Amino acid sequence: DGGITQSPKYLFRKEGQNVTLSCEQNLNHDAMYWYRQDPGQGLRLIYYSQIVNDFQKGDIAEGYSVSREKKESFPLTVTSAQKNPTAFYLCASSILTTYGYTFGSGTRLTVV
Amino acid sequence: EDQVTQSPEALRLQEGESSSLNCSYTVSGLRGLFWYRQDPGKGPEFLFTLYSAGEEKEKERLKATLTKKESFLHITAPKPEDSATYLCAVLPPGTGGFKTIFGAGTRLFVKA
Repeated sequence: DGGITQSPKYLFRKEGQNVTLSCEQNLNHDAMYWYRQDPGQGLRLIYYSQIVNDFQKGDIAEGYSVSREKKESFPLTVTSAQKNPTAFYLCASSILTTYGYTFGSGTRLTVV
Repeated sequence: EDQVTQSPEALRLQEGESSSLNCSYTVSGLRGLFWYRQDPGKGPEFLFTLYSAGEEKEKERLKATLTKKESFLHITAPKPEDSATYLCAVLPPGTGGFKTIFGAGTRLFVKA
């Protein structure tokens, strides 16, 4: 079955560490996205990519980085510059933006 | 600033007690309005896309409607398995089609 796989499901980071969240899709979608979800707030866009080797900053890109070397993969790195990284991170993809998104199951990142 | 506001924040229903969730938005000329269902600890699941005022979509006990300033998600005779958070999202014009704005969601609890 086609879908989006995010890993790991839970991730713990020490202060000052960089961590990378994985996102893989087999839907043949061109566009991919990373969102952050905090309690009581709407999803906020971190980065998005329309095609391979191209990506754009979203509304809260500071402290994050991404790459898009393959159509199927869009990993997110949370750097030590992100001061409040504890959150639920969601990866999504779409064939067309007006069709809605397919989301992964999320990664919960906790700073310890 | 474009905004999406969902109400109520939480809704508690008895099984079989029909009700509606509201999503109001300030976007002019939206390119699409989306409804998603999100279960705890999981990624959102796409439900509907609405494109123009007057449009309606149905799926099982759910019916989504759209006016020029708001959308409603009507739940008819809900069951406990309908308990989830329902997210509304809007795709504004002029953003390259990639900056969907999400509301904070309505948490629905259906008691047997």
